[in-house]
Amino acid sequence: SAVISQKPSRDICQRGTSLTIQCQVDSQVTMMFWYRQQPGQSLTLIATANQGSEATYESGFVIDKFPISRPNLTFSTLTVSNMSPEDSSIYLCSVDWAGPGHGTQYFGPGTRLTVL
Amino acid sequence: SQQGEEDPQALSIQEGENATMNCSYKTSINNLQWYRQNSGRGLVHLILIRSNEREKHSGRLRVTLDTSKKSSSLLITASRAADTASYFCATDGMDSSYKLIFGSGTRLLVRP
Repeated sequence: SAVISQKPSRDICQRGTSLTIQCQVDSQVTMMFWYRQQPGQSLTLIATANQGSEATYESGFVIDKFPISRPNLTFSTLTVSNMSPEDSSIYLCSVDWAGPGHGTQYFGPGTRLTVL
Repeated sequence: SQQGEEDPQALSIQEGENATMNCSYKTSINNLQWYRQNSGRGLVHLILIRSNEREKHSGRLRVTLDTSKKSSSLLITASRAADTASYFCATDGMDSSYKLIFGSGTRLLVRP
């Protein structure tokens, strides 16, 4: 299985600021995904991050609010911009292990964000 | 919303008992996966079952899939206090995007 790390593990931020979350994988993967989990809720996909192309965003999520970078096959960042208390969530990255179509996705430990 | 539903939303059992959680989804799938999440931390992958499979086992876990009913169940046998967590099913559709759609989750409490 993949070993995935995220930084920071948690943060408390002020309204109007931005936070960049990093996701690092121990081996090269084709597809990386970013999810949001609001308090007490299930996970919702924000976007798919592919190396060499722009991220693909899900309905309700826009690049200006959640810019994503994918500079190589082991790393991605998600920025939460101009934060408000409604952005308080756990943000998780995942990877499609063993390549597209295999199916198994592994998740990082998550970043717990609190916006005051 | 394409999000699946899980039931029950919460389940409380005694240690040693079996726990059964159900998941329903709305569209045709390639795979269905079950995950465990402890206290709002990262997700731990438990098991993947493909659309052409009907049953799969892994240790104390048994997963079934009924594609005609668009439903799956996760059975944990001989539960332990350490099994206390939230359990989510997740499906990936046949659109080749590989993105997961998660169920609403079941919160399991195993009382010692």
